[in-house]
Amino acid sequence: GAVVSQHPSWVICKSGTSVKIECRSLDFQATTMFWYRQFPKQSLMLMATSNEGSKATYEQGVEKDKFLINHASLTLSTLTVTSAHPEDSSFYICSADGSTGIYGYTFGSGTRLTVV
Amino acid sequence: EDKVVQSPLSLVVHEGDTVTLNCSYEVTNFRSLLWYKQEKKAPTFLFMLTSSGIEKKSGRLSSILDKKELFSILNITATQTGDSAVYLCALMGSGDKLTFGTGTRLAVRP
Repeated sequence: GAVVSQHPSWVICKSGTSVKIECRSLDFQATTMFWYRQFPKQSLMLMATSNEGSKATYEQGVEKDKFLINHASLTLSTLTVTSAHPEDSSFYICSADGSTGIYGYTFGSGTRLTVV
Repeated sequence: EDKVVQSPLSLVVHEGDTVTLNCSYEVTNFRSLLWYKQEKKAPTFLFMLTSSGIEKKSGRLSSILDKKELFSILNITATQTGDSAVYLCALMGSGDKLTFGTGTRLAVRP
């Protein structure tokens, strides 16, 4: 079945630094990947849609200059949180459209970011 | 804007009980409704529903969609402690994006 790998699973960084999170489709090609953010006891909120070979589409209220998305190949999308602040601490999850044809249903294991 | 509302927000039951989780929605262009189970990490897929009145079943879990009344339910029979999780309802509308509800936090006591 479709497998999405996300790395790292957790990261702690200092305020002002940047953190890169990777999302890979292991056994299929993903032209589109989705990045979500989830605060404690809240639901997943879509941040952006990452399209291979073109610019990402950001949801309203998400700063594109702060959350840089790169989808340079059909198996890899990266999310870089730039100049991280404590309020960016959250659980970040990616999703990709799997080879089964079910669109956007396969999630990565998530990355818990803590900014201190 | 697409909207998903889940109820109840949380639920505590004992092993063996049957639970029904609710999901109502508003959508401009309906494509499908999905249910996920989230434990400590990322959600795991349970069901995808596209047609009204057709029950999807997997073991003790089942789900059905009513596109006229704009809601779906997820049933879990003979609950076990391993069913304790957050159950998320998500709507796929225009633009291939998923809109999630806030989830129902289910706790199953031994």
